[in-house]
Amino acid sequence: ETGVTQSPTHLIKTRGQQVTLRCSSQSGHNTVSWYQQALGQGPQFIFQYYREEENGRGNFPPRFSGLQFPNYSSELNVNALELDDSALYLCASSLGGGGMAKNIQYFGAGTRLSVL
Amino acid sequence: AQSVTQLGSHVSVSEGALVLLRCNYSSSVPPYLFWYVQYPNQGLQLLLKYTSAATLVKGINGFEAEFKKSETSFHLTKPSAHMSDAAEYFCAVSANYGGSQGNLIFGKGTKLSVKP
Repeated sequence: ETGVTQSPTHLIKTRGQQVTLRCSSQSGHNTVSWYQQALGQGPQFIFQYYREEENGRGNFPPRFSGLQFPNYSSELNVNALELDDSALYLCASSLGGGGMAKNIQYFGAGTRLSVL
Repeated sequence: AQSVTQLGSHVSVSEGALVLLRCNYSSSVPPYLFWYVQYPNQGLQLLLKYTSAATLVKGINGFEAEFKKSETSFHLTKPSAHMSDAAEYFCAVSANYGGSQGNLIFGKGTKLSVKP
């Protein structure tokens, strides 16, 4: 059983640029959630995808967007990067469906994004 | 709305001493609660979860937590600390109502240091 993998591990961008982060979910999982973890803070929920549809969104602006593919892998896109977007971006996969709230989310190691 | 408060951003214990990390939650519905651990430059690893079964939950690496509804608490304990327990610990509640079931709401984290 393969775990959650994220790429790239590190990324440096400049303000105003666009970035795409990728996530491969754990085998058999159909739900992917993305979180932003600023330095010294707990992760904050960005959005969740369930069977290729957005299934909820946190308090993030529209320039944060995502996709989920038929194989349940996912992308997080951020446009018009700002300095405050510098953070560790975590992807988590889970098996959705009934009783989703109690399903365990398995996290990848994250992508560290630095915006200069 | 649901929320999590972790008391103490830093906790330091001696090797072999009791570990107690505090977590209080706020939820208008029965919560699902989780503890995750994060080692430096890594993602989050699940330690244990409470999903309305037994109130005393045992997890990996000798950790356990007790759900106390009257105190709205879910404190994490370990009888004897090891050097390898040094890490950051996050308490989380899972959103279990509304349009985004299953996204995790995290506390700010508690960094555990273990002194030899």
